[in-house]
Amino acid sequence: SQELEQSPQSLIVQEGKNLTINCTSSKTLYGLYWYKQKYGEGLIFLMMLQKGGEEKSHEKITAKLDEKKQQSSLHITASQPSHAGIYLCGADISAGAQKLVFGQGTRLTINP
Amino acid sequence: DTAVSQTPKYLVTQMGNDKSIKCEQNLGHDTMYWYKQDSKKFLKIMFSYNNKELIINETVPNRFSPKSPDKAHLNLHINSLELGDSAVYFCASSQAGQVPYEQYFGPGTRLTGT
Repeated sequence: SQELEQSPQSLIVQEGKNLTINCTSSKTLYGLYWYKQKYGEGLIFLMMLQKGGEEKSHEKITAKLDEKKQQSSLHITASQPSHAGIYLCGADISAGAQKLVFGQGTRLTINP
Repeated sequence: DTAVSQTPKYLVTQMGNDKSIKCEQNLGHDTMYWYKQDSKKFLKIMFSYNNKELIINETVPNRFSPKSPDKAHLNLHINSLELGDSAVYFCASSQAGQVPYEQYFGPGTRLTGT
């Protein structure tokens, strides 16, 4: 079983709609990272959350880490075609061992 | 001014061949990694090196051998390629000692066995 579970695995939304992607762990997350991947390209860092209850925003993307530090959500407001891609959550679950584990990714498609 | 670069971007080779993928980072980071992303998009760590020393080896077959000539380079050598080795391989780097830390990823190398 995966140490990080993402849901949904794929998501198709109409342009302009809001959407949420979830990332869940059974272990405490010492650092939670959201990355975006476009086909044929590497991972682009979006944001990092560390503290329970923390919330960060970048343009129309907001990420939250719950108080127990075991779940994070990524929310996109008024989605645009440029948001399409694969979103991956990565986490340090070993307190500074510098080893990230990743969820299986969520493939986001934006329909015009 | 690419931060983490990998060569080649695409690698098509016959089963049983030996191949290498090169990675270089110009960020001055101490730690470098190799990840494998399979066809289902699962991204899993294979190795990490800190200042040319191996610190993580995630039960990878010994046909895979990383080599770090200096802290800016971490190459991945694959002996006797097998079907299950077909995947996208990502190199990444981070700065040791910073917790939490951000890993910077290369563009990936798509390895296809024929």
